[in-house]
Amino acid sequence: EIVLTQSPGTLSLSPGERATLSCRASQSVSSSYLAWYQQKPGQAPRLLIYGASSRATGIPDRFSGSGSGTDFTLTISRLEPEDFAVYYCQQYGSSRTFGQGTKLEIK
Amino acid sequence: EVQLVESGGGLVQPGRSLRLSCAASGFTFDDYAMHWVRQAPGKGLEWVSGVSWNGGNIGYADSVKGRFIISRDNAKNSLYLQMNSLRAEDTALYYCAKDPTPNYYDSSGYYFDYWGQGTLVTVSS
Repeated sequence: EIVLTQSPGTLSLSPGERATLSCRASQSVSSSYLAWYQQKPGQAPRLLIYGASSRATGIPDRFSGSGSGTDFTLTISRLEPEDFAVYYCQQYGSSRTFGQGTKLEIK
Repeated sequence: EVQLVESGGGLVQPGRSLRLSCAASGFTFDDYAMHWVRQAPGKGLEWVSGVSWNGGNIGYADSVKGRFIISRDNAKNSLYLQMNSLRAEDTALYYCAKDPTPNYYDSSGYYFDYWGQGTLVTVSS
């Protein structure tokens, strides 16, 4: 099973700042089969990024994904108040596993 | 608009059974694989089970294999999860999630492009 480790566990930033979230895999993720989700309190996860760098329908372009192999990054270029949430990465190259999440909180 | 509405959760004693349902609308249900994903209180996400568009291919996480059964009824646009021999560690919010493709494979898969709001299952005596 591919284990995904997200860092940091909590990220404290202010609106307007840039956020960089990391997802590291225990082995290479084939074909960059990696997705990112946003989850707000009391809500279901929302797909942001798939294929490591493709934005899902309706996702603002301040969200971008990059990486390959074992190291992946989600970048939010300028934080809006509604971006503060928990973010999960998920690999789907070998079955399906999720990272433990990064909480993005307002500083 | 894609809508997934789960139901059937509740409080159940250890060792008992429960059946979850997911009603789908806003898309051609039998064109897509479907999944169940769960989230224990205050914890992360765990994929539970998936089924191909026609029910022909099915898979389970090791944590539920032999106890849970996934099924679908395309005529009713519905997905189900029969949960047997429930344990305290099965306590979670269970989400129904849509696959962007028709097929299910154990060895690889896809992301989940739409999610329901979840139904809470609590296993406790």
